[in-house]
Amino acid sequence: AQRVTQPEKLLSVFKGAPVELKCNYSYSGSPELFWYVQYSRQRLQLLLRHISRESIKGFTADLNKGETSFHLKKPFAQEEDSAMYYCALRRDTGRRALTFGSGTRLQVQP
Amino acid sequence: DGGITQSPKYLFRKEGQNVTLSCEQNLNHDAMYWYRQDPGQGLRLIYYSQIVNDFQKGDIAEGYSVSREKKESFPLTVTSAQKNPTAFYLCASTPLLGQEVNTGELFFGEGSRLTVL
Repeated sequence: AQRVTQPEKLLSVFKGAPVELKCNYSYSGSPELFWYVQYSRQRLQLLLRHISRESIKGFTADLNKGETSFHLKKPFAQEEDSAMYYCALRRDTGRRALTFGSGTRLQVQP
Repeated sequence: DGGITQSPKYLFRKEGQNVTLSCEQNLNHDAMYWYRQDPGQGLRLIYYSQIVNDFQKGDIAEGYSVSREKKESFPLTVTSAQKNPTAFYLCASTPLLGQEVNTGELFFGEGSRLTVL
């Protein structure tokens, strides 16, 4: 079975500081990894996918298969980045529904 | 206005009662999902359906039931057998795998908060 682990429940940084939200996974196949974000009073929405290798709102994430990690990074945090962030995995075979981690709340202080 | 609509937003239930949460989408998506969101536990998959009249259990299906009689609708019933039903429930949809438009992105509703009194 697959598993997604986000070790930090809360990450608090000051505006302008670098941010790294950790995500580790366990799965024997070739997964697809995603980051979803939930801003206050808004729906959960996709932030980025590892396949697209793009930067969204200044965030990037690289899939490291050796370390089975997909950490989310941003060099300079902004107050509007404050939100709940979820890492998610989709298997390459069998059940294709997303498996989510427990989430990390990011607080960016002024 | 396209998207996923969940109702009701808030629901209170007495112990021993069944309750049905509605999820409707007009995105023409084939696949629909129900997740349960609890603080500190993230989202856990309850049931999912990839096609009309077919659905599969997720990781925490016990005490829940679903139906998929129409492509647009995927209601979730929380039965009295669910031991800890107080939670926030999220419905989502996505195009079916294999279709070009499928990027893996799930489109979520606003959620339904169920409280058992």
